[in-house]
Amino acid sequence: ETGVTQTPRHLVMGMTNKKSLKCEQHLGHNAMYWYKQSAKKPLELMFVYSLEERVENNSVPSRFSPECPNSSHLFLHLHTLQPEDSALYLCASSQDRRYYEQYFGPGTRLTVT
Amino acid sequence: AQTVTQSQPEMSVQEAETVTLSCTYDTSENNYYLFWYKQPPSRQMILVIRQEAYKQQNATENRFSVNFQKAAKSFSLKISDSQLGDTAMYFCAYNTDKLIFGTGTRLQVFP
Repeated sequence: ETGVTQTPRHLVMGMTNKKSLKCEQHLGHNAMYWYKQSAKKPLELMFVYSLEERVENNSVPSRFSPECPNSSHLFLHLHTLQPEDSALYLCASSQDRRYYEQYFGPGTRLTVT
Repeated sequence: AQTVTQSQPEMSVQEAETVTLSCTYDTSENNYYLFWYKQPPSRQMILVIRQEAYKQQNATENRFSVNFQKAAKSFSLKISDSQLGDTAMYFCAYNTDKLIFGTGTRLQVFP
């Protein structure tokens, strides 16, 4: 498989559930990202990892917990979410943080009930 | 603050015609990269074209080309010979150490 993959593609969870989103990149990149895309809002950067180290956390609530065990994998652990967290969650990777284009996965459509 | 503005929320074009999507940005940096991304209904964000700010020559990728005006901080995308598959949201983005997106332009190509 090539590029950036994300699983699951769709997820419905209750507010008391715990779930995880998975992202894997097959491009040999050093940086990985989580974005949130809600209807009628600009893309929101959530977390940035560079060489497996978290370098940015854009005031994201603690109910979202990222994990980057190696340069190819990125997880987003979810717990006690709110209905307003329903959105498309996109993972991306790039060769480096600065300047380079980012390549996106297909996203996980999350619905919180 | 670095911002990216796309002033056209929606546009439409007839198949085989040409359409231009506008983008302006604000930055105090001299070296940066600019991108256009396409997001079709399938939701996959796809890179369309990139432009390095230090290059004066406008980037082209097949039917897609840009008009990069550095002094004016303008970066428009021209789609020639529009195809039905070009129907999508188009996002302009700017990158130095963070990729900043505009709010997008929804393009509809009709037969």
